[in-house]
Amino acid sequence: QVQLQESGPGLVKPSETLSLICTVSPGSITSGPYYWGWIRQPPGKGLEWIGSVYYSGPVYYNPSLKSRVTISLDMSKNYFSLRLNSVTAADAAVYYCARGQKNNSMFDYWGQGTLVPVSS
Amino acid sequence: QSVLTQPPSASGTPGQRVTISCSGSYSNIGRNTVTWYQQFPGTAPKLLIYTNSQRPSGVPDRFSGSKSGASASLAISGLQSEDEAEYYCASWDDNLNGHVIFGGGTRLTVL
Repeated sequence: QVQLQESGPGLVKPSETLSLICTVSPGSITSGPYYWGWIRQPPGKGLEWIGSVYYSGPVYYNPSLKSRVTISLDMSKNYFSLRLNSVTAADAAVYYCARGQKNNSMFDYWGQGTLVPVSS
Repeated sequence: QSVLTQPPSASGTPGQRVTISCSGSYSNIGRNTVTWYQQFPGTAPKLLIYTNSQRPSGVPDRFSGSKSGASASLAISGLQSEDEAEYYCASWDDNLNGHVIFGGGTRLTVL
């Protein structure tokens, strides 16, 4: 049973950078045909895909967020991370990490999610 | 505004069969598979249906998915009170280098 766990600061100020990491266990993020993704959900709203990364390949980003987002992996520590620059109140959401597949909308394992408020 | 269109709400009585629609376009549902998720308040989404109609282990066969052209549907037969949840469809979209898109979600109420 794969487990994913998000972690990061509980609060971000407007115009600053949101940074989260997702640790994966058991197993390696470099094994299997898996992409590792971030999805967010503003309070009371629907799901929005942020992006997905493969350990040896391309990173795919939501076109609407691409200019502000970086998703990367740390293979030595077996986690992947999210950085979202220049945040505004509209970026306040529960952020989920999940395991996915290439060119596919299937995410079979999810983290529990972490709420990131944006406030000064 | 979501690229995949779902009705905001659906309802049914216990034992009934309900369907939830998901409408897209050629670049997403028309060319790629559809995934369905179930989400209860305060919890992470759960994979319900993948590759249009496949159920992961542990998902009751009361849940079924189908796809035709650029549209998809989730059907729940023998509706139970514990099925009351939010349901999301999702698909890969080939435009703009490729990306995942979600429907806006459908709130299912069991009357």
